[in-house]
Amino acid sequence: GAVVSQHPSRVICKSGTSVKIECRSLDFQATTMFWYRQFPKQSLMLMATSNEGSKATYEQGVEKDKFLINHASLTLSTLTVTSAHPEDSSFYICSARLQTYEQYFGPGTRLTVT
Amino acid sequence: GENVEQHPSTLSVQEGDSAVIKCTYSDSASNYFPWYKQELGKGPQLIIDIRSNVGEKKDQRIAVTLNKTAKHFSLHITETQPEDSAVYFCAASVYGNNRLAFGKGNQVVVIP
Repeated sequence: GAVVSQHPSRVICKSGTSVKIECRSLDFQATTMFWYRQFPKQSLMLMATSNEGSKATYEQGVEKDKFLINHASLTLSTLTVTSAHPEDSSFYICSARLQTYEQYFGPGTRLTVT
Repeated sequence: GENVEQHPSTLSVQEGDSAVIKCTYSDSASNYFPWYKQELGKGPQLIIDIRSNVGEKKDQRIAVTLNKTAKHFSLHITETQPEDSAVYFCAASVYGNNRLAFGKGNQVVVIP
């Protein structure tokens, strides 16, 4: 299957700081990537759809000024959590979509805000 | 929008037995149904998918069946092994649509 990487895998930051998470498709080009958030023992919650060269589409209830998404190339999307607070602590997962529409997920990033 | 329900929430099976997880969906326009396996602390892994033009698809020990009339699809794992222990998520979408609607997940425990 297609490979998607995320960096970092874990990050701890102080309240009020910003954190950037990278998502890369390693062996294919992805015009569309997705960012999800997952709470313990829960399903995946779609935060936004990231399209290369255009603005991201955010799901209802997701603050676009807090969760900045940039899809600068066909293999890279970034999620920046700005002015992070403890309630932003979560498992963030990206996925990338093939032209045949299958979605492949990255390994996830565990964010802890202290 | 699409609503996907997944049952049971937890399933325990003896090693070597079969495991079956069933999902139902609400939107008759949905025509793409992937299954993901998620191990603790990792991202979901696509293990099999099916499109609505077929009723069954197999890949070694796993298979997926689709009943479009009843709007349900199932994951079958045969000869279960301890490494099959994980959370399994079903999803549905309209092929070509970006959005995947996920079920709540099913914790499968394979008892050695």
